[in-house]
Amino acid sequence: EAQVTQNPRYLITVTGKKLTVTCSQNMNHEYMSWYRQDPGLGLRQIYYSMNVEVTDKGDVPEGYKVSRKEKRNFPLILESPSPNQTSLYFCASSPQRGLRDTQYFGPGTRLTVL
Amino acid sequence: AQRVTQPEKLLSVFKGAPVELKCNYSYSGSPELFWYVQYSRQRLQLLLRHISRESIKGFTADLNKGETSFHLKKPFAQEEDSAMYYCAKGPVGPGANSKLTFGKGITLSVRP
Repeated sequence: EAQVTQNPRYLITVTGKKLTVTCSQNMNHEYMSWYRQDPGLGLRQIYYSMNVEVTDKGDVPEGYKVSRKEKRNFPLILESPSPNQTSLYFCASSPQRGLRDTQYFGPGTRLTVL
Repeated sequence: AQRVTQPEKLLSVFKGAPVELKCNYSYSGSPELFWYVQYSRQRLQLLLRHISRESIKGFTADLNKGETSFHLKKPFAQEEDSAMYYCAKGPVGPGANSKLTFGKGITLSVRP
């Protein structure tokens, strides 16, 4: 089944403890992206990647890192999480030039930073 | 800065009533515009895109460049339409960056 998967789905952690949220897609999509969803703020783009080894900042990149070593994977790294990063995170992928095509979203990862 | 504005946070209607979810965008050439929907406990999914000029689940959206709007409409709401709806704007022109900008979303509640 063509899909975007994220792990873990739920995570509770403490301030300062490094964590990684994985994202994987099996559709050979070039474009991948991370968003966070917060009440009243909607969806905001964190980072995106046009292809392997090509990443760029979205609207809210502070406190996050990403990497794109393989086409299918696009992990989101929080080196030193803080409570203001408590949020619902979505990964998405899209065929080519991402934004002129449908984005396929993962199921979301609910992160709580204490 | 590119902006997508959804002026209302919540719209509550009775089943069978018409629905209009508003979306305005900041002008920047010929935009790529989308509506995404998130049903309860499901992942976000594309509802429709303006370039396709299609009707999905009875919903339509017309791009009005004069008003820079892309409102989502349905003549007769159904209970299963209850969900969160996001308007989104893609890049403009071949040299534009690849940021996708979402509005803040609106919750549609359709009562029986």
